[in-house]
Amino acid sequence: AQSVAQPEDQVNVAEGNPLTVKCTYSVSGNPYLFWYVQYPNRGLQFLLKYITGDNLVKGSYGFEAEFNKSQTSFHLKKPSALVSDSALYFCAAGLMNTGFQKLVFGTGTRLLVSP
Amino acid sequence: NAGVTQTPKFRILKIGQSMTLQCTQDMNHNYMYWYRQDPGMGLKLIYYSVGAGITDKGEVPNGYNVSRSTTEDFPLRLELAAPSQTSVYFCASSWDTQGRGQPQHFGDGTRLSIL
Repeated sequence: AQSVAQPEDQVNVAEGNPLTVKCTYSVSGNPYLFWYVQYPNRGLQFLLKYITGDNLVKGSYGFEAEFNKSQTSFHLKKPSALVSDSALYFCAAGLMNTGFQKLVFGTGTRLLVSP
Repeated sequence: NAGVTQTPKFRILKIGQSMTLQCTQDMNHNYMYWYRQDPGMGLKLIYYSVGAGITDKGEVPNGYNVSRSTTEDFPLRLELAAPSQTSVYFCASSWDTQGRGQPQHFGDGTRLSIL
């Protein structure tokens, strides 16, 4: 069965410092992976995705993520955090296939960026 | 471009009442989804649809029903509300199957409390 783990419930970082939000996945095949962000009282917003190709994926708002197949990880990173990055972040995984595949979400990591 | 619109935003129901959560998208997406979000649990798929007239169960379908008579609309029906259905409900849509890596677009959610 597919699963996604986000080991940290909350990540605290000072503004201007680099941030990392961790995600590991378990899928029986080639995965596709997403990061979404959720602001208070809003739906999830797509940040970036990995399908195939370069292991470093760049997305919206200066975020990037590194796909590591050997460690089955897809950590979200940003070189310099902003207070406005404070939000709830979800990693999601699915199995690459031609048919419909359900997306499995992690439990979310709350990012708090302090001024 | 409105994207995915959900109504109502908030609702309080009594046990045993029924209601319909509305979802409309204006992006001409074939795929639509209903999720529930519970604290610390991530998102769980309730039902999904791959096109008008075609729906299928997700991970947690019990107590819910859906229909898809048009491409745009995907209402979620609660027939006999129970306290366990207190949650935040999100509707989402995507252009193509997730197997081809298309991200989902989310509405802002319906916050439902059952007392």
